[in-house]
Amino acid sequence: DVKVTQSSRYLVKRTGEKVFLECVQDMDHENMFWYRQDPGLGLRLIYFSYDVKMKEKGDIPEGYSVSREKKERFSLILESASTNQTSMYLCASSIVGGSPYGYTFGSGTRLTVV
Amino acid sequence: GQQLNQSPQSMFIQEGEDVSMNCTSSSIFNTWLWYKQDPGEGPVLLIALYKAGELTSNGRLTAQFGITRKDSFLNISASIPSDVGIYFCAGQLSTDKLIFGTGTRLQVFP
Repeated sequence: DVKVTQSSRYLVKRTGEKVFLECVQDMDHENMFWYRQDPGLGLRLIYFSYDVKMKEKGDIPEGYSVSREKKERFSLILESASTNQTSMYLCASSIVGGSPYGYTFGSGTRLTVV
Repeated sequence: GQQLNQSPQSMFIQEGEDVSMNCTSSSIFNTWLWYKQDPGEGPVLLIALYKAGELTSNGRLTAQFGITRKDSFLNISASIPSDVGIYFCAGQLSTDKLIFGTGTRLQVFP
């Protein structure tokens, strides 16, 4: 069964901490994405990567950075966590050229910043 | 960034009722997708549509790709409690990125 795995389901961090959210896929997909989900706002793209060491800003990159050193792993980094970054974070992957089946999502990481 | 207009934002229905939701865009898409997100999980693909006018079914779910390529509809017939969740539409251009709707939260009461 193909999978996108996010390392933590729930995280609680303090304001100002550096936070790492990890995502691993076993489908050999070229594309990987990080989304943020908030009630009433749907899914908003933070960053995506179309190859190792390649990245592109999404719609809301401020306060975030990403790292993709290996094809299967895409990390989202909150440089200095703030309370307005409390949210559900979803990782997804797809083949290059856009899969006819869209993205495969992980189960999400619910981050609370206190 | 661009998002699709999805309505209604939420629905509270009784078990056995039919459900309709839709998604509209100012842009033309080549593919429309519908996802469902169960509570505490990531979205899972329900139906994919590839051609304008296409009508596709998956069990009690039926979705249509609008003829203008700027909208899509999802219907759920005879709802059951496990239909509870958030439904997202998504449009795909020729690039690798999907544009998502704002979601419809469905609650089903017995």
